[in-house]
Amino acid sequence: GENVEQHPSTLSVQEGDSAVIKCTYSDSASNYFPWYKQELGKGPQLIIDIRSNVGEKKDQRIAVTLNKTAKHFSLHITETQPEDSAVYFCAARRGGTNAGKSTFGDGTTLTVKP
Amino acid sequence: DSGVTQTPKHLITATGQRVTLRCSPRSGDLSVYWYQQSLDQGLQFLIQYYNGEERAKGNILERFSAQQFPDLHSELNLSSLELGDSALYFCASSDLPSPNEQFFGPGTRLTVL
Repeated sequence: GENVEQHPSTLSVQEGDSAVIKCTYSDSASNYFPWYKQELGKGPQLIIDIRSNVGEKKDQRIAVTLNKTAKHFSLHITETQPEDSAVYFCAARRGGTNAGKSTFGDGTTLTVKP
Repeated sequence: DSGVTQTPKHLITATGQRVTLRCSPRSGDLSVYWYQQSLDQGLQFLIQYYNGEERAKGNILERFSAQQFPDLHSELNLSSLELGDSALYFCASSDLPSPNEQFFGPGTRLTVL
């Protein structure tokens, strides 16, 4: 089955700096890669996603890049703010009948220090 | 607020017992997913239902079962509970069986003593 590795497990940055979280996946049939933000006491919330036919996607301060050949994708947050502090999860999913079956990384706890 | 509701918020029970977790998807969503989030294993996909039928299965134990009812709400039944079943259980919903986005509920925290 799919295996997703996420690094680092914890990340601490100063407000205004950039943060990068990286994930690798094993199943070459995976074609959808979402990123979730989970705040304390809440469920994960989708913040950005990318499909395998796209190399990069940006939404304001957040961007995701995908290298399908190397099977890795990354989340980039620029101009970090204290409210960006949360746990971030990457995931990988394939299409077809197993489309619902997402495999998640173990999460990265991001702390943005004011 | 994602529009997905889960009850109860917290559940404390003893080993060997059986519990039922309930999920109501967003209005109009036909697909429901169940996830288990524990400290040592992260977020694990358990099972997906689409319009009442099982669609995909993950690492769901035989002691666990789920169903989706005609009104589209779903229940996750956990039986013969063990200490290791203590976790957060999330339900998510989407409009399609192969969606772009899943909307997560606030979760049910299960503690098995």
